[in-house]
Amino acid sequence: AQSVTQPDIHITVSEGASLELRCNYSYGATPYLFWYVQSPGQGLQLLLKYFSGDTLVQGIKGFEAEFKRSQSSFNLRKPSVHWSDAAEYFCAALVYNYSNFGNEKLTFGTGTRLTIIP
Amino acid sequence: ETGVTQTPRHLVMGMTNKKSLKCEQHLGHNAMYWYKQSAKKPLELMFVYNFKEQTENNSVPSRFSPECPNSSHLFLHLHTLQPEDSALYLCASSLRSQSGGDTQYFGPGTRLTVL
Repeated sequence: AQSVTQPDIHITVSEGASLELRCNYSYGATPYLFWYVQSPGQGLQLLLKYFSGDTLVQGIKGFEAEFKRSQSSFNLRKPSVHWSDAAEYFCAALVYNYSNFGNEKLTFGTGTRLTIIP
Repeated sequence: ETGVTQTPRHLVMGMTNKKSLKCEQHLGHNAMYWYKQSAKKPLELMFVYNFKEQTENNSVPSRFSPECPNSSHLFLHLHTLQPEDSALYLCASSLRSQSGGDTQYFGPGTRLTVL
């Protein structure tokens, strides 16, 4: 079955430290991949996406993600976190089906909650 | 993300009430979605509208009734809800095309509490 896995439920890092959030997918074909961030009580904001091409994708707020086909992974990174990065992060995937246009579904992981300590 | 707005932001209702959630997108998109986000659960896709036609109904109970009068507006009508329906309801929109790669943009959500 198609799925997106975020192995880490909760991560705590110090302000200024580097960050890596893990995401693995299980699909028959290479999906489109996304990272979203959700602050408490808010909707989801798109950080970045990967469709094709360069496997290192730059996003907003200083985030980047690297697509690794061999590992079925799309990990999110930031070299130096800020207190305002504390939030929940969701990885998501979508497989585009040319023969069934209009029925693609965006599948989300269960999220990783990021806590920043001073 | 001001491209997708949702009202109200918070709603408290009794189990016998009837209420509606509203979503509006200002992005020129042609597809709209309702998701349910409960604590400690993945986002659940409830309904999808492509070009104003419903193409997905993920086994959602009939007490939830969607309406999409045009490509910019989406409603979720609620009646005789249960306490377990309390959740954050998120609306999203995207621009679907034959070339694929559509990206969903989300509204801020409506926090629903059913008493």
